[in-house]
Amino acid sequence: GENVEQHPSTLSVQEGDSAVIKCTYSDSASNYFPWYKQELGKGPQLIIDIRSNVGEKKDQRIAVTLNKTAKHFSLHITETQPEDSAVYFCAASKGAQAGTALIFGKGTTLSVSS
Amino acid sequence: KAGVTQTPRYLIKTRGQQVTLSCSPISGHRSVSWYQQTPGQGLQFLFEYFSETQRNKGNFPGRFSGRQFSNSRSEMNVSTLELGDSALYLCASTDGARVEETQYFGPGTRLLVL
Repeated sequence: GENVEQHPSTLSVQEGDSAVIKCTYSDSASNYFPWYKQELGKGPQLIIDIRSNVGEKKDQRIAVTLNKTAKHFSLHITETQPEDSAVYFCAASKGAQAGTALIFGKGTTLSVSS
Repeated sequence: KAGVTQTPRYLIKTRGQQVTLSCSPISGHRSVSWYQQTPGQGLQFLFEYFSETQRNKGNFPGRFSGRQFSNSRSEMNVSTLELGDSALYLCASTDGARVEETQYFGPGTRLLVL
């Protein structure tokens, strides 16, 4: 079955620095790649997603890149702020037609110090 | 629109008991997925229901079951609870029938098995 590897497991940066989280997936049929942010005591919140027909997507300080050939995708956060501190999860899915099962990476704990 | 709601938020049970968790999806969403989140295994897909039918199932024992009602609300049941079932149980909803697969998560039900 699908497997998603996520690195690093922890990441500490200074406020204003950039943060990069990388994920690889195993199933070439996966075509949807969301990123979620989870704060303590809350459910995961979608922050950005990308579909397989797109190589890069940006939303203000957040960007995601996808390399289908290498089967990896990355989250880039620029100008980090203390409120960016949370656990970030990448996921892969074959899309709505396959029942929308999301396969998650193990998560990255991002700490932004001021 | 109201978000995904889950009840109860916290639950304490003892080994051998059974438990039922409830999830109300975003209005108009017909797909509800359930996930188990533990520190060791991360976020794992349990099953997905669409229009009252189980459409996809993860790799969990038969003690884990679910159902969906005509109003799209969903319940999951865990019978003969084990200590290892202690986890945060998350449900997520999506339209389920369109290309857009964005899943919106609820806050979760934290289950503690003693």
